[in-house]
Amino acid sequence: DAKTTQPPSMDCAEGRAANLPCNHSTISGNEYVYWYRQIHSQGPQYIIHGLKNNETNEMASLIITEDRKSSTLILPHATLRDTAVYYCIVRGYSTLTFGKGTMLLVSP
Amino acid sequence: GAVVSQHPSWVICKSGTSVKIECRSLDFQATTMFWYRQFPKQSLMLMATSNEGSKATYEQGVEKDKFLINHASLTLSTLTVTSAHPEDSSFYICSAREQGARAEAFFGQGTRLTVV
Repeated sequence: DAKTTQPPSMDCAEGRAANLPCNHSTISGNEYVYWYRQIHSQGPQYIIHGLKNNETNEMASLIITEDRKSSTLILPHATLRDTAVYYCIVRGYSTLTFGKGTMLLVSP
Repeated sequence: GAVVSQHPSWVICKSGTSVKIECRSLDFQATTMFWYRQFPKQSLMLMATSNEGSKATYEQGVEKDKFLINHASLTLSTLTVTSAHPEDSSFYICSAREQGARAEAFFGQGTRLTVV
């Protein structure tokens, strides 16, 4: 699976949009981009995934660049409960391989 | 999303004893289940993959005789840590996926194992 690069940490003010970037320049044609998050001492929670089109669900939006080499997860109105480690994972038909992710801290 | 239940959420055991952790998919049939381990301040590391009714596939460096995995039904997988030692203390997390390699994987809440 292609490797991903994420900033180690980000801060966001409560109520503002949180935009979490992810680089996956070696992504191949059959690989999807998945986002999970892990709140402290809990199991990871699925957020969203996409192939090449932008995706939106009740939790977040996923914007994938046209060349698919990077993507951005958007939490439109961050709350304190969104503080977590966010993992961007590129996966084809294999298992989910977790990198170090981005620690998002949402502050009042 | 689908629900994966893991039990117990935490356990303390004496060195040399065995501990069993259960992982259940509550509202879907999980043809494939995964077991991860996470040490403090580190990311999740895949230990093994199991398909219902067949032997688990272990990642390199994971001792199959120490970490026994059973996936006897489409809704239950168990991980048994045998002859536990303090260095086995970790956060163990299971994940379950429906049939199809593209299906999303859903995670249990994790089990905090402390070996004393």
